[in-house]
Amino acid sequence: QKEVEQNSGPLSVPEGAIASLNCTYSDRGSQSFFWYRQYSGKSPELIMFIYSNGDKEDGRFTAQLNKASQYVSLLIRDSQPSDSATYLCAVNERGSNYKLTFGKGTLLTVNP
Amino acid sequence: DTGVSQDPRHKITKRGQNVTFRCDPISEHNRLYWYRQTLGQGPEFLTYFQNEAQLEKSRLLSDRFSAERPKGSFSTLEIQRTEQGDSAMYLCASSLKGAGDTQYFGPGTRLTVL
Repeated sequence: QKEVEQNSGPLSVPEGAIASLNCTYSDRGSQSFFWYRQYSGKSPELIMFIYSNGDKEDGRFTAQLNKASQYVSLLIRDSQPSDSATYLCAVNERGSNYKLTFGKGTLLTVNP
Repeated sequence: DTGVSQDPRHKITKRGQNVTFRCDPISEHNRLYWYRQTLGQGPEFLTYFQNEAQLEKSRLLSDRFSAERPKGSFSTLEIQRTEQGDSAMYLCASSLKGAGDTQYFGPGTRLTVL
């Protein structure tokens, strides 16, 4: 059973702070890693994807991947109240570049 | 907007009724996926199409569920003899093979079975 684990939260940070969201996965053969943002009652929206070890930056967002530790994280700099949402980590299964396994998500609250 | 669209957005039905949902993927995307999401959980994979071929079905998908993508464009998901446990958000996503297979989700259909 492939597993993706996330802290359910809630994670509460003040406006302007750095929010750090973490995810671990069980399938060592996974190759593709995705972060989605989901507002309450809405569908997941892609934030970032990462395939290689290291950091990948896009605006205020940085994804970090460590395949040896089976760990992927998302950093949100200068957090805004509009960033308040559930963040879903998704990992592809070994041998499949299409089937994603999602974590349960971490609820982030950014306080003004 | 040329994103993934789903119809209807909400469906309320009585137990035992059949329901059908439609998904229109991003126009150039050849891969289409159905997921189901319940409260407090991440989306769970149900099935996957590449063009018109259904290449995988999850064990979660009982015989009451069927999906089609007849011409490799839009897809339908039908649930027969609905049960209260079918109440969930049904999400459709699409991707382009060879472009990282990044999946983009539609707005979802929220099903409530009374």
